[in-house]
Amino acid sequence: GDSVTQMEGPVTLSEEAFLTINCTYTATGYPSLFWYVQYPGEGLQLLLKATKADDKGSNKGFEATYRKETTSFHLEKGSVQVSDSAVYFCALSDLDSSASKIIFGSGTRLSIRP
Amino acid sequence: KAGVTQTPRYLIKTRGQQVTLSCSPISGHRSVSWYQQTPGQGLQFLFEYFSETQRNKGNFPGRFSGRQFSNSRSEMNVSTLELGDSALYLCASSLRDSSTDTQYFGPGTRLTVL
Repeated sequence: GDSVTQMEGPVTLSEEAFLTINCTYTATGYPSLFWYVQYPGEGLQLLLKATKADDKGSNKGFEATYRKETTSFHLEKGSVQVSDSAVYFCALSDLDSSASKIIFGSGTRLSIRP
Repeated sequence: KAGVTQTPRYLIKTRGQQVTLSCSPISGHRSVSWYQQTPGQGLQFLFEYFSETQRNKGNFPGRFSGRQFSNSRSEMNVSTLELGDSALYLCASSLRDSSTDTQYFGPGTRLTVL
């Protein structure tokens, strides 16, 4: 079945460092891809999405490109801030004719040191 | 527009009891999905409802059930609670338009089973 694999955490970086969180997927169809973020004690917030190959999703300085040839959707940010500390989930949604559901990766905890 | 709301936010129950959680989707959204989040299993899909019909179901026992009302509000019920049911239960809503499959999450209900 469909699945998402993302890099193990925790990831600890200094403020203003460059961030990459790797994500690869397996899917039989043509899924939409997402990054969600979860701050401590809160639910999930959609960070960005891409719906077809070569699309680039971006938001709040984060970006990710849908790479069909490598089945990847890596999350990047050029200069992280302390406020970016959270858990990041890569996910896919395979919308078919009857229903949709999201399949999540295991999450990557990111901690940013001042 | 108000976001997805879930009630209650926190719940403590004992083994063998049953519990009902409520979710109000974003206005205009007709699809409601439920997810269970635990440290060990991560985020797992429970079920999705659209226009009062269950469209998809995850791999959970029959003790987990749900329903959706005509105003798109949804409830999920867990009967005969077990310790392993302790989790954060997240509800998500979406338009379920063919071109939009983004799900927006509520803050979750944290269930503790003693």
